[in-house]
Amino acid sequence: SQQGEEDPQALSIQEGENATMNCSYKTSINNLQWYRQNSGRGLVHLILIRSNEREKHSGRLRVTLDTSKKSSSLLITASRAADTASYFCATDRGSTLGRLYFGRGTQLTVWP
Amino acid sequence: DAGITQSPRHKVTETGTPVTLRCHQTENHRYMYWYRQDPGHGLRLIHYSYGVKDTDKGEVSDGYSVSRSKTEDFLLTLESATSSQTSVYFCAISEKQGSTNQPQHFGDGTRLSIL
Repeated sequence: SQQGEEDPQALSIQEGENATMNCSYKTSINNLQWYRQNSGRGLVHLILIRSNEREKHSGRLRVTLDTSKKSSSLLITASRAADTASYFCATDRGSTLGRLYFGRGTQLTVWP
Repeated sequence: DAGITQSPRHKVTETGTPVTLRCHQTENHRYMYWYRQDPGHGLRLIHYSYGVKDTDKGEVSDGYSVSRSKTEDFLLTLESATSSQTSVYFCAISEKQGSTNQPQHFGDGTRLSIL
């Protein structure tokens, strides 16, 4: 079964606006990761946040994690057309075996 | 980009035929994974490997087998392909740093159509 559940399923914004995507999960975790997938390509890792961290930044990306609510958010600031992609969250369900459980993703479209 | 090559990139075959997909890595990573991606389901793990000759089942392993005889190669076999196995298949690799699993790196996928 899916571990992460992203919402919204689809998001459409104009260049320059911020994009916020959310992820909820059901079990304890060691870390939560966000990935991006451009059309026809494999997933690319964006950011990893550990269960004892609350916020992490990488360039225009900001990820928050609330383990009490079992939820995370990915904020992309000042979006660009090149940010158009699907975004997935993934958790390890507390496993140390390297397995990840992915959500169904959010399709982000950024219009020029 | 991580050195991951999937072959073939596209394949069309008929129901009942055997199919083998190959994942080759040049990163010497210990962990390798096979996923399938279908509309409405996201990525689902088929099988994974945590070392040479060490493999285990994922969420959707029925109808699939894997082999890993070398660190760099992870093969996924559909013994008798069915139309329900039409999908995009992704290979991924990862490593551990101490006890912490590192992010996975993905290949560009194999688009498999079974008619």
